[in-house]
Amino acid sequence: AQSVAQPEDQVNVAEGNPLTVKCTYSVSGNPYLFWYVQYPNRGLQFLLKYITGDNLVKGSYGFEAEFNKSQTSFHLKKPSALVSDSALYFCAVRDMNSGGYQKVTFGTGTKLQVIP
Amino acid sequence: ETGVTQTPRHLVMGMTNKKSLKCEQHLGHNAMYWYKQSAKKPLELMFVYNFKEQTENNSVPSRFSPECPNSSHLFLHLHTLQPEDSALYLCASSQAQGEGNQPQHFGDGTRLSIL
Repeated sequence: AQSVAQPEDQVNVAEGNPLTVKCTYSVSGNPYLFWYVQYPNRGLQFLLKYITGDNLVKGSYGFEAEFNKSQTSFHLKKPSALVSDSALYFCAVRDMNSGGYQKVTFGTGTKLQVIP
Repeated sequence: ETGVTQTPRHLVMGMTNKKSLKCEQHLGHNAMYWYKQSAKKPLELMFVYNFKEQTENNSVPSRFSPECPNSSHLFLHLHTLQPEDSALYLCASSQAQGEGNQPQHFGDGTRLSIL
């Protein structure tokens, strides 16, 4: 079985400060990991993914995420937050070693509020 | 523009009505998905199609009936819905689900309200 946890319902950060949105996962094998963002009245948009290789993954809009296998985490980060980054962020996981039509499991989402 | 288009964007219907949600993707993908997003609840996967074949039905009530006539189009037929079915219904597409490292591309959803 696979699962993903986003421990914070909401994260508040001042504009210009670094931001972190936390995600931990559980899979029986190795993970494929994803981050998505959802703006109001829109669908989810893909930000970045970890498949293999470098633990630090860079994505859209200046976001990056660090894969930490020992801590089973994949936290989303940005060095300097913008007010326009305010949105709902979803982490997702799929077990790399599962075959066939294994679905992706999404977290419950974290609302990011960037304060001017 | 995500390449996945959902219509209508908003739908209000009575419990006895029959309506359909439509999703179309222009990305050449072979997998399509229906999700339900309710306030303060996790994203719920409803149905998955790979190469036009339904590969997942996540215990969805029979009042929701999906249809996938080809890899580019996905419908969700609705009948005799309940007030708790009010939610945002999201369609997504991706490479075939066996290609597990590919992200899903989402439409902007249909906001459904049941009176």
